Amino acid sequence: AQSVSQHNHHVILSEAASLELGCNYSYGGTVNLFWYVQYPGQHLQLLLKYFSGDPLVKGIKGFEAEFIKSKFSFNLRKPSVQWSDTAEYFCAVIANSGNTPLVFGKGTRLSVIA
Amino acid sequence: DTAVSQTPKYLVTQMGNDKSIKCEQNLGHDTMYWYKQDSKKFLKIMFSYNNKELIINETVPNRFSPKSPDKAHLNLHINSLELGDSAVYFCASSQKDMFFYGYTFGSGTRLTVV
Repeated sequence: AQSVSQHNHHVILSEAASLELGCNYSYGGTVNLFWYVQYPGQHLQLLLKYFSGDPLVKGIKGFEAEFIKSKFSFNLRKPSVQWSDTAEYFCAVIANSGNTPLVFGKGTRLSVIA
Repeated sequence: DTAVSQTPKYLVTQMGNDKSIKCEQNLGHDTMYWYKQDSKKFLKIMFSYNNKELIINETVPNRFSPKSPDKAHLNLHINSLELGDSAVYFCASSQKDMFFYGYTFGSGTRLTVV
């Protein structure tokens, strides 16, 4: 079964700083990868996804992520964060076959301070 | 129009009670899920139904019983509630043959057992 590791539990950044959140997955086969965001008190929203093609994917709100197959990684980046980016960020993976569900990492809490 | 709607949004109840959470999706998806998010924000799959058929049943106490009357609805009934059941429960849906588009999540039900 697949699993996901997010290395940073809590990241604190000043506005305009650059962001990179790490995500590694464990699975021997083909996967599809996602980043979701959960703003305080809200539900999960899809930021971006990768399923094939260009390993650099762009999502909403200026976020992007790069799939590096050799490293089993899918790190999330944003060149300049804003206070409104304060949220919980979840990396998730789903195997490209069978009935396995979307599996989430434990999340990274991002706090952006003015 | 809400794509995936859950009711109630908040539920406070005493230990030992039986309660239900309802979920409905109007996206025409054929697969629905229940996830549990614990106090540390970790999201774990509980159940998945495809066209009213149970396809995923993770290690969940049998006090939890999902019911899918049709493919647009997936309800969660919990018997003999315990303190440890306190969490946020998210319903989600997807189209099985297009799973790489990710899941659409409901806004969550915050269950507090006292």
